[in-house]
Amino acid sequence: KAGVTQTPRYLIKTRGQQVTLSCSPISGHRSVSWYQQTPGQGLQFLFEYFSETQRNKGNFPGRFSGRQFSNSRSEMNVSTLELGDSALYLCASSFTGAEQYFGPGTRLTVT
Amino acid sequence: GQQVMQIPQYQHVQEGEDFTTYCNSSTTLSNIQWYKQRPGGHPVFLIQLVKSGEVKKQKRLTFQFGEAKKNSSLHITATQTTDVGTYFCAVGSGTSYGKLTFGQGTILTVHP
Repeated sequence: KAGVTQTPRYLIKTRGQQVTLSCSPISGHRSVSWYQQTPGQGLQFLFEYFSETQRNKGNFPGRFSGRQFSNSRSEMNVSTLELGDSALYLCASSFTGAEQYFGPGTRLTVT
Repeated sequence: GQQVMQIPQYQHVQEGEDFTTYCNSSTTLSNIQWYKQRPGGHPVFLIQLVKSGEVKKQKRLTFQFGEAKKNSSLHITATQTTDVGTYFCAVGSGTSYGKLTFGQGTILTVHP
């Protein structure tokens, strides 16, 4: 089975712009979760989608949003980018919602 | 929300020495998972523990869940250079596994 894929792998944006990141889960997995990883804050949960519905949400501002499509692919969007949004954004998929299979991540740099 | 403290933050060992990382919570956990992230890589699932006092082994790795389900440990026997990376514990929400709260991680360096 192919693993979780994320595109793009690297992204450089300017403060104030918006960005959309994409995640394709492992075939058959309906749960997709997003995490932000930074050296200072570690791994922080953003949100989880299951069957196109947001099932859980972390403590991030409304500038962070996401969605899931009928084929379980997911996107996350960050609007009005700030310097502090520079991070590795990880997507993880799961069959049961238990063990998470992470993708390689998208490295976002905001200048 | 649930919080979990992980110690130590860093551990340097000589190849062949043992290594242990600990996770502690002030509240009872429904489950705990362990992940490993190699430098430049992404977290990889190692194991999930759900039962009080549970002990699971994977080759040189031993995972334990405390009797009160408030703490857990990962022990590596006779470390190898391939064990280098950051080890995270993560706890699932009682209502949804899909939301994981991660510990700060222990960065393991193994000197040959």
